[in-house]
Parts: sequence; C-alpha cells; structure tokens
Amino acid sequence: DGGITQSPKYLFRKEGQNVTLSCEQNLNHDAMYWYRQDPGQGLRLIYYSQIVNDFQKGDIAEGYSVSREKKESFPLTVTSAQKNPTAFYLCASSASVDTQYFGPGTRLTVL
Amino acid sequence: DQQVKQNSPSLSVQEGRISILNCDYTNSMFDYFLWYKKYPAEGPTFLISISSIKDKNEDGRFTVFLNKSAKHLSLHIVPSQPGDSAVYFCAASVYGTSYGKLTFGQGTILTVHP
Repeated sequence: DGGITQSPKYLFRKEGQNVTLSCEQNLNHDAMYWYRQDPGQGLRLIYYSQIVNDFQKGDIAEGYSVSREKKESFPLTVTSAQKNPTAFYLCASSASVDTQYFGPGTRLTVL
Repeated sequence: DQQVKQNSPSLSVQEGRISILNCDYTNSMFDYFLWYKKYPAEGPTFLISISSIKDKNEDGRFTVFLNKSAKHLSLHIVPSQPGDSAVYFCAASVYGTSYGKLTFGQGTILTVHP
C-alpha cells in the first residue's frame, strides 16, 4: 500500500531537548517537504528536498534541521533553538512540480 | 506578508446546498493553484487543482474557478454533504520552480448541517 507515514503520532519533549520526527514514503517521489501548522493558521514550509543529499530552507527553518540520505526518508530534527516548537508537523512528498501528498502528521508538545 | 488569503475563517451551509469557498492571492507569479481538505489531527488531502491557462476545472461535485485579473479563486461544492465538513486550504505555486513550493492560505472551516 503506497503512502506517506509519519511517526510518532504524538510526541512530548522537555524544554532544551532535541527531538527527531520521522517521515517515510514509498511512492517513489523525488521531492519531500516539512510543514508546520499552528492553530488558526495555514501550513508554513520549514524545509524541502528535491533530491537525495540536497535540501533547501523554507520560510521558517530557524531551529530545525533535516537530512535526506535516502529517497524514501526525510527526518526533521526540532532543536532546542526552536523557540516555540509546540505545533502539528506535516510531511509531504511529490513526484513532480505540482501536487503534494501529505502524511498523517505528528503533534509535538513541549512540556 | 500573506501572499495567499482566505478571508472567511468559517462557512456554514445546509446539506444539499452549494458551498463556495474563496481565496485571494497577491503574487502575480503564481500560476498553479490547489485545494486541500483537512480533518483535525490528520494530514491534508488533495482535492482539485487548476493552472492559470484555465479558468475552470471540475471533478465530480467539486469545481474550482480562477479569475486571474482579480487574483481570485473559488471552490464550489455541489451538493454539499455532511462529510464535507472540514478545513479547506487553498495553496499556490509558481509552476516549475522551486520544485512545487506551495504557499498556503489560513484555511476556512466548512460545516455542512444535515
């Protein structure tokens, strides 16, 4: 069954800790993306990757880091430098320059 | 600077009637537009898209209209069903650049009453 998986669905972190969110796709898509959603707001782009071993900053990259060592995987690390990390994080992928398909999301809460 | 705006935070309609969701954009370089539907605590689901060479695209109950001169697009759902109740996001991109980098509106909560 093709799709995008994100784990875990819920994640709790203590202040000052780094945490890594997983995103895996088996759609054979070249491009992958990370977005953040806050209440009452749209999705804001954190990082995106067009191809393995390459990625670019989105609109709100500060306090985040990514890697793209495999086509299928695009993990996002939320570092302690991110001032307001509590949010809903969404991963997406696309085969071309148009439609992006999203995973189910990870809710991160900082305690 | 909000380049894509959905000025109505919410919309309430009766089952069977038409739902019209609106979206405005300011960046004249945008030439590809998408609508996504999202349930709480889930990822958005792609609904329908339109490129700037068209002014209308239909898919079943969903139709998107694009008015380039007004920098405005709308999503029509006919007839509306209770299962359509969700948050709807419009998104825009400059097709063929930045590998489909999308800019999203804030979303409109649609509630369809039985």
